Amino acid sequence: DAGITQSPRYKITETGRQVTLMCHQTWSHSYMFWYRQDLGHGLRLIYYSAAADITDKGEVPDGYVVSRSKTENFPLTLESATRSQTSVYFCASSETPGLAGYNEQYFGPGTRLTVT
Amino acid sequence: QKEVEQNSGPLSVPEGAIASLNCTYSDRGSQSFFWYRQYSGKSPELIMSIYSNGDKEDGRFTAQLNKASQYVSLLIRDSQPSDSATYLCAVRDTGGYNKLIFGAGTRLAVHP
Repeated sequence: DAGITQSPRYKITETGRQVTLMCHQTWSHSYMFWYRQDLGHGLRLIYYSAAADITDKGEVPDGYVVSRSKTENFPLTLESATRSQTSVYFCASSETPGLAGYNEQYFGPGTRLTVT
Repeated sequence: QKEVEQNSGPLSVPEGAIASLNCTYSDRGSQSFFWYRQYSGKSPELIMSIYSNGDKEDGRFTAQLNKASQYVSLLIRDSQPSDSATYLCAVRDTGGYNKLIFGAGTRLAVHP
């Protein structure tokens, strides 16, 4: 059971290039999330998705695009990478809350992106 | 703006002691609370969730919740060097969609 995976794990790219970070989960979770983590800022939500074809902006969406055509995949694209997007990116997923509000999020291993 | 506050630390405790990590949150309507552990260079790992006032114990970990004071804490008994990590407090956003609001984390260092 692979759980939630991210690829690539490390990426170096140049300013202005388009980059896509992949996220794949095998749990059939409805909800998926993209975060970035920077020193001094903690985890900040970029985009989230409640189901296939349903996505919405989080706290820091500028410069990013997402899609979700299949439940298990949630790619994040940097349309024109900037140095300020150098960060560690985490994907997470969770089930739809049941009556007890059970909705824990589980994280992928992360992608360390450097924009030069 | 909804906020989750944690002391950044580092919190240094000797091996075998109790480590106490604290978190406050601003949204009085929050109902779900989580503690994640993050080792350096790794992803956050869920260690505790708590939804009701009071204590919840799981092995050496105890989560404590006081909604009236908008305060949640994590106690780690018999601390081990392997507990050295950053501990992230997270609160479910009352705006829905299962979003979490994270604190910046407290770095814990357990020394032999």
